Amino acid sequence: GESVGLHLPTLSVQEGDNSIINCAYSNSASDYFIWYKQESGKGPQFIIDIRSNMDKRQGQRVTVLLNKTVKHLSLQIAATQPGDSAVYFCAENVRSNDYKLSFGAGTTVTVRA
Amino acid sequence: ETGVTQTPRHLVMGMTNKKSLKCEQHLGHNAMYWYKQSAKKPLELMFVYNFKEQTENNSVPSRFSPECPNSSHLFLHLHTLQPEDSALYLCASSEGNEQFFGPGTRLTVL
Repeated sequence: GESVGLHLPTLSVQEGDNSIINCAYSNSASDYFIWYKQESGKGPQFIIDIRSNMDKRQGQRVTVLLNKTVKHLSLQIAATQPGDSAVYFCAENVRSNDYKLSFGAGTTVTVRA
Repeated sequence: ETGVTQTPRHLVMGMTNKKSLKCEQHLGHNAMYWYKQSAKKPLELMFVYNFKEQTENNSVPSRFSPECPNSSHLFLHLHTLQPEDSALYLCASSEGNEQFFGPGTRLTVL
């Protein structure tokens, strides 16, 4: 069954505000997590990843937070722009499964002008 | 844009047709994947190839037949599909954990 999920299927954000997208996972053995962005008509594109030995990682305008205690992952987007409108997926990898990723259903983010 | 290309981008086929989807990666990766993406559902992993050897078949019906002639090319042969097989089929490649996706083939089965 699905081991990765997102709290909300849709998120509407005012341009310039910060966005927070949440993801819950159930497999405590997962040691690698990744966020993807999928725009309409395109395949998923890598945003940021984090390993289980970290609880925070920052990229350009994005921050991923990992709370292993409650098995929760979040993606924060600072100063959300119209180009951030897309579907966002979290995925997890369990070490023993080598390259296999398990994906959540996705959150559709819509940025309001 | 990405190092993973897929053809065709769109395909409409009848249930009795035979067609093939093609994926090519220019990244020098050793692993390649086929995923099915249906509306409102998580990506479903179908097949995994590692160094041209199939390492995973995720209970996929036999009407889907993968082929990996070399580490840069991956095919998905389709025959006698059902309307519920209509979806976006995504190819990906990887060298480690991070997977790089192609743009997908939008398949419609009539």
